[in-house]
Amino acid sequence: EIVMTQSPATLSVSPGERATLSCRASQSVSSNLAWYQQKPGQTPRLLIYGASTRATGIPARFSGRGSGTEFTLTISSLQSEDSAVYYCQQYNDWPPSITFGQGTRLEIK
Amino acid sequence: QVQLVESGGGVVQPGRSLRLSCAASGFTFSSYGMHWVRQAPGKGLDWVAVIWYDGTNKYYSDSVKGRFTISRDNSKNTLYLQMNSLRAEDTAVYYCASQVGTDAFDIWGQGTMVTVSS
Repeated sequence: EIVMTQSPATLSVSPGERATLSCRASQSVSSNLAWYQQKPGQTPRLLIYGASTRATGIPARFSGRGSGTEFTLTISSLQSEDSAVYYCQQYNDWPPSITFGQGTRLEIK
Repeated sequence: QVQLVESGGGVVQPGRSLRLSCAASGFTFSSYGMHWVRQAPGKGLDWVAVIWYDGTNKYYSDSVKGRFTISRDNSKNTLYLQMNSLRAEDTAVYYCASQVGTDAFDIWGQGTMVTVSS
């Protein structure tokens, strides 16, 4: 099973600044990597798929980069509404399995 | 609009069974694979199972293999998860999800809570 490791566990950033979240795969997942945002009490929302393609309706402030084992999600011009937990997910290894990272909690100061 | 609505959650004793349902609307259900993903209280997302669009292939995470069964009824636009031999560690919100417009999970249900407790 491919293990996805996210860092940092928690990130605190001021409004208007930029946040960079990292995700590392235990083996190559090519570009089969997605990012999700989950706000408290809400369902996860797809932000990025294919490592760098924004999902429908996602603002250009959200960008993804990487391939192989190292990936980043960058959120520029942070807004209070961006406060959430962000998960990466690999779907290169399926079937049989899909795995998520443990999440990064983003706090807006 | 595209929608997934889960039901069937509740409180169940360890060792007992429960069946979850996920009703789909707004898209051609029979054309897409469907997944179950769960989230234990205060924890991260945990993929559970997938079923092919036509039901021919099914895959499970190691933690539920042999205890859970995923199925679908395309005539009813409904996905199911039969959960047997439930354990305390199965306590979670269970989401159904699919890859309709992308190769990632671009549609999710609102989730249904399963609590396994004596």
